[in-house]
Amino acid sequence: DADVTQTPRNRITKTGKRIMLECSQTKGHDRMYWYRQDPGLGLRLIYYSFDVKDINKGEISDGYSVSRQAQAKFSLSLESAIPNQTALYFCATSPGGPGEQFFGPGTRLTVL
Amino acid sequence: RKEVEQDPGPFNVPEGATVAFNCTYSNSASQSFFWYRQDCRKEPKLLMSVYSSGNEDGRFTAQLNRASQYISLLIRDSKLSDSATYLCVVNRGGGADGLTFGKGTHLIIQP
Repeated sequence: DADVTQTPRNRITKTGKRIMLECSQTKGHDRMYWYRQDPGLGLRLIYYSFDVKDINKGEISDGYSVSRQAQAKFSLSLESAIPNQTALYFCATSPGGPGEQFFGPGTRLTVL
Repeated sequence: RKEVEQDPGPFNVPEGATVAFNCTYSNSASQSFFWYRQDCRKEPKLLMSVYSSGNEDGRFTAQLNRASQYISLLIRDSKLSDSATYLCVVNRGGGADGLTFGKGTHLIIQP
């Protein structure tokens, strides 16, 4: 069984629609992250959370919001999707500190 | 200077050859360093951590030069299955959490 899961795996939506990407983990990690990956730009941090009561903006948080519903769940929302939010989105977890992060399989989002 | 810089490649290398990648980082407060591997359309996965004394894992050797803020990865006896993108990753340091990812170096091993 996967330790970090993401749903949906693929999504096509239209400009202006609200969409939520979900991430769940069974690793028991406190820290969770959302990244987007674009060709030629690498991975960029959108939001991160150290625990259920702690949410922090990353380098590209505009147009996104997050919710940490439980230690195991961290969801990313696009309130009004726009075409330049078309990207591959990854959720990641870590046990804390400057160590390894474990990634989910990714969600490929296309905004038309 | 970008936080983490890598040559994007692609590096086209014959099977069995030795290939080396380099990476430079700008944050002198960084304390942890990693190489991740990412296959096409898949998630990044940790390949190896990079220690000050250097470390080796089978055909892979990683080196860190703190003075020059430089990290390297050497792959010996390359296999077709080594074809992937290799991401240089550095922690933010200075008490800030999180990792900064390089854009990756694309490696193609040719038969």
